[in-house]
Amino acid sequence: NAGVTQTPKFQVLKTGQSMTLQCAQDMNHEYMSWYRQDPGMGLRLIHYSVGAGITDQGEVPNGYNVSRSTTEDFPLRLLSAAPSQTSVYFCASSYRTTEGVLTFGAGSRLTVL
Amino acid sequence: GIQVEQSPPDLILQEGANSTLRCNFSDSVNNLQWFHQNPWGQLINLFYIPSGTKQNGRLSATTVATERYSLLYISSSQTTDSGVYFCAVPAGRGGYNKLIFGAGTRLAVHP
Repeated sequence: NAGVTQTPKFQVLKTGQSMTLQCAQDMNHEYMSWYRQDPGMGLRLIHYSVGAGITDQGEVPNGYNVSRSTTEDFPLRLLSAAPSQTSVYFCASSYRTTEGVLTFGAGSRLTVL
Repeated sequence: GIQVEQSPPDLILQEGANSTLRCNFSDSVNNLQWFHQNPWGQLINLFYIPSGTKQNGRLSATTVATERYSLLYISSSQTTDSGVYFCAVPAGRGGYNKLIFGAGTRLAVHP
């Protein structure tokens, strides 16, 4: 079992560029989510999904898009990167949508110049 | 929305010492989780503990849901316990597993 796999681990972008952070899980988890972590702060929820085709916004959704075409994959898209999006991004999943242990990926460190 | 507060924000221990970390939350919850973020950034779930007490080796956790707090106990600390400890609770009652995180307790264990 690979668990939750995130790619890339590191990325540097210029302001205005677009990119996609990939997240895949092989545990048949229904619930998937994206968090960002900024220095000295906890994690803040960006978007989440409770199944294929179903997504919704979290605390800080502006500037990010998501989709979930399969149970396994939940990519996070930055359409026009801004320096304020410099952060570490974590993907997390759980078996059930309403409860259960949240399992995290290793994180993706993004720098926007 | 629900507020999550952790204390202390920073903690320095000598190897072998014991410690207690606290998590207060502002509304009733059906789910509380403790995580450890190691110095390499990896987040590991320590406990899923909506109420009661659980133990896992040198670590144990207690949640008193009626009083809206949870405690994480670390006994005989080791240098590998260093990192940041987060507690997290769902954003809304009866909703999805949308966890709201506290700001964390940063623990440094020195040999």
